[in-house]
Amino acid sequence: KQEVTQIPAALSVPEGENLVLNCSFTDSAIYNLQWFRQDPGKGLTSLLLIQSSQREQTSGRLNASLDKSSGRSTLYIAASQPGDSATYLCAVGYNQGGKLIFGQGTELSVKP
Amino acid sequence: GAVVSQHPSWVICKSGTSVKIECRSLDFQATTMFWYRQFPKQSLMLMATSNEGSKATYEQGVEKDKFLINHASLTLSTLTVTSAHPEDSSFYICSARVAGVTDTQYFGPGTRLTVL
Repeated sequence: KQEVTQIPAALSVPEGENLVLNCSFTDSAIYNLQWFRQDPGKGLTSLLLIQSSQREQTSGRLNASLDKSSGRSTLYIAASQPGDSATYLCAVGYNQGGKLIFGQGTELSVKP
Repeated sequence: GAVVSQHPSWVICKSGTSVKIECRSLDFQATTMFWYRQFPKQSLMLMATSNEGSKATYEQGVEKDKFLINHASLTLSTLTVTSAHPEDSSFYICSARVAGVTDTQYFGPGTRLTVL
């Protein structure tokens, strides 16, 4: 069964700290992996998309890495800010244009 | 660009009634739309994949007669929850894939359904 797991479920850090969110998937034959941000009661905002042939993607203070062989991805957030507080979701796609399998999310709180 | 809207943003209804949720791609054509359900503190679970002009493909365990999906145009898909019950209360989110661009899905803001 294809499953996606995120650790930790919740994380609270002081402003300015660098942090890492983890995502693992059981079936390593992925097509791509995405990280999303979800604010309370809102939809999803795509942060980074990594193709299976790529090892990492960067956007501003965010860096996502992918290790297919170990079935893991990490989202690194540098110099965290209170505005980064949200739930971060990892989603794996197993074929082109197909459905996404989501992890349970990590609820991040950055305290000023 | 690539904006997806949902209507309504929230709805409260009595048990036994039917509720229709619309998902629109505002500035692009979407050959495929996806419908997800999210319970509190849980992740998104795919309910069905909707292709324009054809029948939707439902995930295992999702009742197609209860959750009716229509994708009549390249910019609109609707999800109708028929004879809604309190256990159907959830956050329903749609996403749309840009025609010709296979890897990116754009998500709507979601619809909060509460069945009393």
